[in-house]
This record gives sequence, C-alpha cells and structure tokens, in this order.
Amino acid sequence: GDSVTQMEGPVTLSEEAFLTINCTYTATGYPSLFWYVQYPGEGLQLLLKATKADDKGSNKGFEATYRKETTSFHLEKGSVQVSDSAVYFCALLPRQGAQKLVFGQGTRLTINP
Amino acid sequence: GAGVSQSPRYKVAKRGQDVALRCDPISGHVSLFWYQQALGQGPEFLTYFQNEAQLDKSGLPSDRFFAERPEGSVSTLKIQRTQQEDSAVYLCASSLPGQAEKLFFGSGTQLSVL
Repeated sequence: GDSVTQMEGPVTLSEEAFLTINCTYTATGYPSLFWYVQYPGEGLQLLLKATKADDKGSNKGFEATYRKETTSFHLEKGSVQVSDSAVYFCALLPRQGAQKLVFGQGTRLTINP
Repeated sequence: GAGVSQSPRYKVAKRGQDVALRCDPISGHVSLFWYQQALGQGPEFLTYFQNEAQLDKSGLPSDRFFAERPEGSVSTLKIQRTQQEDSAVYLCASSLPGQAEKLFFGSGTQLSVL
C-alpha cells in the first residue's frame, strides 16, 4: 500500500544551520507530495507541495524536490531560525482525485539560538 | 469562520464512557475530514464528508466510532464505550470540494482515556 517514511527525530540544530529532513514514499500510482508543519499549540499547516516528478515546492525558505527515481521528497532549508522549531510531516495523496492524505510519522525540529 | 474550530480542546474520559467531539469547518468548505493522531505518530485518516454525505469511512477503527454531519456544516465524531487505545489527538480538516491538497486543519481535540 501507499506509505511515507521520514527520518527519525528529534533533530536539534543551531540557528543558521543547514537543514535536511529526509522523506521517502511508496505509492502505486502517481502521487502528489506535501510537507506539513505543526507549530506548538497550532493545527497542521501546509508548508509546500509538488504534484509531479521534478517539481520543486518552496515556501518560507524551505524547498523540496519530487524525485521519482529515488521516490524521495526531502525537505531543505539553507539557514534555519528559532521560529522554525516545530514538527514536520511528509505526506502524499496517492493519485489525482484521491481524498485521503497518507502521512509520515513526523520529525520534531528544535532550533537553538 | 476564520479557521477550523474544534471543541473541546482536551477531553478526559473514563474507560467505557461515550464521548462526542465537535468540528466547525471553514464557512463554505463542503469537504470535511477526520484524522486520528496517536502520540509520536502522523495523522491517520478516519472518515470524509462531502456536504452531509459520508463518502468514505474506511478509516474508522471499529463500530464504536461514528461520525455525522447532518446539515453539511458542523460535524461530530462520537466514540462509544471508550478504550485506552482510543487516546489520541483527533484532527478535523476542511477544504473546498475536490481540493484535498489544500486542507485546513483545526488544532485538534486531545482525548485521554483513563
């Protein structure tokens, strides 16, 4: 079945460090891929998305590229801030028209000043 | 409304009690979803409505779980005879029709079953 695997957390970095959170997926069709972020006490928010191979999603300095050959959608940011501390979820929609998001287990990120 | 609103924010139940969790979606959002998020895990799909019609309930873990949306707006997730394994955060999300890629999530209801 369709699934998403994220790198284990928690991840702790210093401010201005480079961030990578790995995400790989298994899907039978042609999925759309997403990163959601959950700040403390808030609901999940869509951070970025990519709907087809080689697409790059970007938002707030974060980027992720849909790599069909490696079935990956790794999240990167060049210089993290304390305000980026949150839990990050990789997710997929299995095919166009699908309604059920499939989430990874989440990666907790803490940025120290 | 401004966002998806869920109530209560926290719920503590004794094992065997029935609970009801409420979700107020964004005004005009005809699609509504419920997800269950266990501690340290990602959300898992429970059920999906379009207006008042429950189009998919394949994620409901047992017949103790029941969801309704009688007027196509507010939804209630009911859990009967709660068990400890039901302890989780229950998330509600809404979207415009056919736009599951643009979900807006509420802050969730944290259910603890003692």
